Amino acid sequence: GQQVMQIPQYQHVQEGEDFTTYCNSSTTLSNIQWYKQRPGGHPVFLIQLVKSGEVKKQKRLTFQFGEAKKNSSLHITATQTTDVGTYFCAGTGGYQKVTFGIGTKLQVIP
Amino acid sequence: EAQVTQNPRYLITVTGKKLTVTCSQNMNHEYMSWYRQDPGLGLRQIYYSMNVEVTDKGDVPEGYKVSRKEKRNFPLILESPSPNQTSLYFCASSFGTGELFFGEGSRLTVL
Repeated sequence: GQQVMQIPQYQHVQEGEDFTTYCNSSTTLSNIQWYKQRPGGHPVFLIQLVKSGEVKKQKRLTFQFGEAKKNSSLHITATQTTDVGTYFCAGTGGYQKVTFGIGTKLQVIP
Repeated sequence: EAQVTQNPRYLITVTGKKLTVTCSQNMNHEYMSWYRQDPGLGLRQIYYSMNVEVTDKGDVPEGYKVSRKEKRNFPLILESPSPNQTSLYFCASSFGTGELFFGEGSRLTVL
């Protein structure tokens, strides 16, 4: 079945450093979404990528969708303490099945 | 206010006692789904529904049932809960394959 691998599982960074999390799907995706879950909260939608090679930016966050539509990344420039949380990718494959990555838990050290 | 509402938010129960976690959305979304979240395992899909009377298994459907009799509601039923179903459960909804809106979560403990 469809699998979405996400790495790393944990990341500690000093405030001001950059952070990147990567997702890789076993199958071609129709789209990929990214979510952020603050500690004790629920996942909140960040963005959706649909096109091959697509790059989108939201302030300090840059999202990429690979040319083959099987991988994606989220890069945060100059992390802040407000970036703390777990970041999930979610890929939509056949039969509109959505599969989440395991998530990357980001800790930012002030 | 657009929202997905789950109840109960917290529940402690005993093995074998049937329970239902309700989920309701007020956004007229066709797609609804249930996930469980466990440490180190991320969000795993239990069941999903593309529309009324259409449901399908996700990755971990064993021990769960769902129904979609109305567009707004998608209850999750545990006919005979077991301790390995102790988890944090999320309901979510969306228009098609768009942005998923999540409920606040239901923390279930089965003793």
